[in-house]
Amino acid sequence: NAGVTQTPKFQVLKTGQSMTLQCAQDMNHNSMYWYRQDPGMGLRLIYYSASEGTTDKGEVPNGYNVSRLNKREFSLRLESAAPSQTSVYFCASRTGTGELFFGEGSRLTVL
Amino acid sequence: GESVGLHLPTLSVQEGDNSIINCAYSNSASDYFIWYKQESGKGPQFIIDIRSNMDKRQGQRVTVLLNKTVKHLSLQIAATQPGDSAVYFCAENIIGYSTLTFGKGTMLLVSP
Repeated sequence: NAGVTQTPKFQVLKTGQSMTLQCAQDMNHNSMYWYRQDPGMGLRLIYYSASEGTTDKGEVPNGYNVSRLNKREFSLRLESAAPSQTSVYFCASRTGTGELFFGEGSRLTVL
Repeated sequence: GESVGLHLPTLSVQEGDNSIINCAYSNSASDYFIWYKQESGKGPQFIIDIRSNMDKRQGQRVTVLLNKTVKHLSLQIAATQPGDSAVYFCAENIIGYSTLTFGKGTMLLVSP
């Protein structure tokens, strides 16, 4: 039982490049989330998907897009990366009782 | 120099001591609270949760206390071990919000 799996674990981009972070969960959860974590800022919600076929903006959505491909998969895309998007990105899925399960994180550096 | 905001509150304890990590939450409409542990280079992991109709809940070596009057949550770790060194986050579920709301975290450092 893998839980929440994120790829890639590490990525270095140049300003203006695009990339997609992939996330998959095998716990049959309806809700999935993308967070970013920066020093001293805690976890900030970028986008979430309450159920398959729906997505909504979180606290810091600018510069990102998401796709809920199916119940298992929720991807995060950076269309034109900026140095301000250097961060650690976490995908999570949520149980019906409210607990969040997190992936191991994707560490992105934008030069 | 660096912004104060970049530094997490830190609790330093000796191995074998009991640790208490505190959290003030924001909303009286919160009905569920969770403590997460995040080790360096890893994602946050669930430790223990508590519903708002409870004052105390115990797990293995951990106890969570909830004081709704002053909107305060604490995590007590008994006989702290070096493997407990991590950042600890409290999170609250505010009714009507789309996800959990997280605190900034406290770093626990355990010396052998």
